[in-house]
Amino acid sequence: NAGVTQTPKFQVLKTGQSMTLQCAQDMNHNSMYWYRQDPGMGLRLIYYSASEGTTDKGEVPNGYNVSRLNKREFSLRLESAAPSQTSVYFCASSEGPRYQETQYFGPGTRLLVL
Amino acid sequence: SQQGEEDPQALSIQEGENATMNCSYKTSINNLQWYRQNSGRGLVHLILIRSNEREKHSGRLRVTLDTSKKSSSLLITASRAADTASYFCATASMNYGGSQGNLIFGKGTKLSVKP
Repeated sequence: NAGVTQTPKFQVLKTGQSMTLQCAQDMNHNSMYWYRQDPGMGLRLIYYSASEGTTDKGEVPNGYNVSRLNKREFSLRLESAAPSQTSVYFCASSEGPRYQETQYFGPGTRLLVL
Repeated sequence: SQQGEEDPQALSIQEGENATMNCSYKTSINNLQWYRQNSGRGLVHLILIRSNEREKHSGRLRVTLDTSKKSSSLLITASRAADTASYFCATASMNYGGSQGNLIFGKGTKLSVKP
């Protein structure tokens, strides 16, 4: 039981490049989330998926797109990376569709945009 | 759109001492959660307290919630070097902003426990 896994662990991009961050969970959770964490800040929600087939914007969705590929997988895409997107990205999941329950986090993807 | 604010921002104590961290929030909540983050790692859930609860315990952790003051505290008793981490409170409210029902995280308290 791996919990929540994320790939890659670390990535360097040049401004304008695109990439997809992958996330998978093996806990049969309905809800999945993407957050970003910047130095000295708490986590900010980018997008979430309450259940398979649905996605919604969070607090900071601009510059990102997501896909809930199936119940297990939730990917985050940066179409044209900008230096402001340098951050640590965390994927999380929870039993759902209520969002108020315990969330389980992946280890994070550290992204540097030059 | 910060909802929870932890205090202090940083705390340094000796092993064996107790550590207390506080969280204040602005709007009514359904529940409040505490998470721990070790350096370079993801967040780990510690405890969830619902709005109709006043106190919860889990091992060496004690969480209190005062909805009249819109505040919560996390007490770690008999701290260990392994407790060194950042601690975040997160609030869940169906009435908060555009993220109804989603968790809103504070900026965290960085705890350092010296052996």
